[in-house]
Amino acid sequence: EPEVTQTPSHQVTQMGQEVILRCVPISNHLYFYWYRQILGQKVEFLVSFYNNEISEKSEIFDDQFSVERPDGSNFTLKIRSTKLEDSAMYFCASKDNEQFFGPGTRLTVL
Amino acid sequence: GEDVEQSLFLSVREGDSSVINCTYTDSSSTYLYWYKQEPGAGLQLLTYIFSNMDMKQDQRLTVLLNKKDKHLSLRIADTQTGDSAIYFCAETGLTGGGNKLTFGTGTQLKVEL
Repeated sequence: EPEVTQTPSHQVTQMGQEVILRCVPISNHLYFYWYRQILGQKVEFLVSFYNNEISEKSEIFDDQFSVERPDGSNFTLKIRSTKLEDSAMYFCASKDNEQFFGPGTRLTVL
Repeated sequence: GEDVEQSLFLSVREGDSSVINCTYTDSSSTYLYWYKQEPGAGLQLLTYIFSNMDMKQDQRLTVLLNKKDKHLSLRIADTQTGDSAIYFCAETGLTGGGNKLTFGTGTQLKVEL
């Protein structure tokens, strides 16, 4: 059964460093998403992406964040200068009729 | 903005039925979902219901929707220890262009022997 994959599973970085989180959506899906879940809190929407552009973004998704689909398979989330409060689990999802989620990348900012 | 609320904890005995409740505020919600999250894992889609339905059954899972009261519930029949997890209610509506999901706080289900 096709699934969304994410790498790495855990990323540790120093405050101020750039990180790139990678996702491979399900191959025939056209809509892609990033969500995050701070420990013990709700899953929060960050951004949705369709037809090579952002279709919606939340207030969390400020200028420090960007997304890209660099080729036909990968979907990436870049955080330019990480802050302590960016520490969270980041989930990628892709959608045909329903959204299917990847296993997540745990980002720890020290 | 949209808001989705759930009770935080539920404890049941193995073999009993579990009922997890959710309320939402977005009257334009089109689809409502239940996701399951096991410790350290991602979000697994369990089931969903379209807003013009009031009930959906899928094996041990029954979803009830009261659109007037904006209340959604998930009933798990014959609950097993493997059902222990966090259950998230989520909705998607007509606002915005990307069909984002708005999640509830999650209900931690503990199944005791």
